[in-house]
Amino acid sequence: NAGVMQNPRHLVRRRGQEARLRCSPVKGHSHVYWYRQLPEEGLKFMVYLQKENIIDESGMPKERFSAEFPKEGPSILRIQQVVRGDSAAYFCASSRDAAQPQHFGDGTRLSIL
Amino acid sequence: DQQVKQNSPSLSVQEGRISILNCDYTNSMFDYFLWYKKYPAEGPTFLISISSIKDKNEDGRFTVFLNKSAKHLSLHIVPSQPGDSAVYFCAAHFNAGGTSYGKLTFGQGTILTVHP
Repeated sequence: NAGVMQNPRHLVRRRGQEARLRCSPVKGHSHVYWYRQLPEEGLKFMVYLQKENIIDESGMPKERFSAEFPKEGPSILRIQQVVRGDSAAYFCASSRDAAQPQHFGDGTRLSIL
Repeated sequence: DQQVKQNSPSLSVQEGRISILNCDYTNSMFDYFLWYKKYPAEGPTFLISISSIKDKNEDGRFTVFLNKSAKHLSLHIVPSQPGDSAVYFCAAHFNAGGTSYGKLTFGQGTILTVHP
């Protein structure tokens, strides 16, 4: 979907485990965004990153969640000690710059047992 | 605090007719608006956008109208086709710098069904 690659597409974890979600942006895009969609709701912004920098993390829960976008490699959204309420679809988007439309990946569906 | 609202959860339209999807917003700092289309198990696909300096933008069968005084935008699809059946999200962001620059605020979505 528009070149943003997310993996895995589906991830199952037990409560207390860690979840790592990966996102490779469109080639040439240096801006990455993570969103979460709960059932029957719209997408909620979590974090906005540029290479090696977090620009805006106002939507990230203060605990257990972290994100990075290293100089080399994909962006990673990490959720530690997962709980049932973390079950959701997590979408990554990228753009060439902050003024351009964001292009989304197909998401990672996280299920917590 | 729902700053972007799509008050119609669903819309059903006959093929060939016009589909009108509506979106309201509350934050006057929003400066740029987008519509996305989403199929099940896929990510949102960008459709069309409009800057707050315009009141209309057209791309093929899709037209977006913006009424800044009413804080309202709408997406018109004409003629509607069965392949247009999907969830449509409107989204907004600040486009003038600051910490919210680039962050999108989404509505809840409207399920459009186009009947053959």
